[in-house]
Amino acid sequence: AQKVTQAQTEISVVEKEDVTLDCVYETRDTTYYLFWYKQPPSGELVFLIRRNSFDEQNEISGRYSWNFQKSTSSFNFTITASQVVDSAVYFCALVESNFGNEKLTFGTGTRLTIIP
Amino acid sequence: DAMVIQNPRYQVTQFGKPVTLSCSQTLNHNVMYWYQQKSSQAPKLLFHYYDKDFNNEADTPDNFQSRRPNTSFCFLDIRSPGLGDAAMYLCATSNGRRDTQYFGPGTRLTVL
Repeated sequence: AQKVTQAQTEISVVEKEDVTLDCVYETRDTTYYLFWYKQPPSGELVFLIRRNSFDEQNEISGRYSWNFQKSTSSFNFTITASQVVDSAVYFCALVESNFGNEKLTFGTGTRLTIIP
Repeated sequence: DAMVIQNPRYQVTQFGKPVTLSCSQTLNHNVMYWYQQKSSQAPKLLFHYYDKDFNNEADTPDNFQSRRPNTSFCFLDIRSPGLGDAAMYLCATSNGRRDTQYFGPGTRLTVL
């Protein structure tokens, strides 16, 4: 069965520091999709990125970047020059492509606190 | 802007008093989901609709029901809320099961 592990329960950094959130996944499927979501204190889950298993290209979006490595089954998320508005819980998630398993499996989340 | 809307944002009910939560979408997505999220936990899928087909998770209590009268709307009915049902309820939509799920702002349910 698929599984997503976010070993970092809580991280605190001082504003403007860089921070990396780790995500390790397990799946037997050869085709799958990886996601990151942000959940600020308001509670809404905000979609950040989706990655297909056959596309290992890293991606950068402003201060956000994602490092996808199939060899280590990891999909890490880096925030550069962190800001207070980045404070939130971040969830990594996986969807397999096998019929019947196409459900969003979440990690347990990492609570990120940016200290002004 | 296309979006997922949930009403109300906050709902207070009494122990055992039925409650209905509402979700609507302007994305015209064919799949709609209901999740329950308790404090400091990941969202837990309760059920989803693929078009009109209802798909219940094996561990979802019978106390939870859902209706999808049309593409745009989906309702979560809790027939007899218990104290353990106090949680954030999140609605999401996607254009196919493997596609990105977009979430609404959630309804925070309090059971007195």
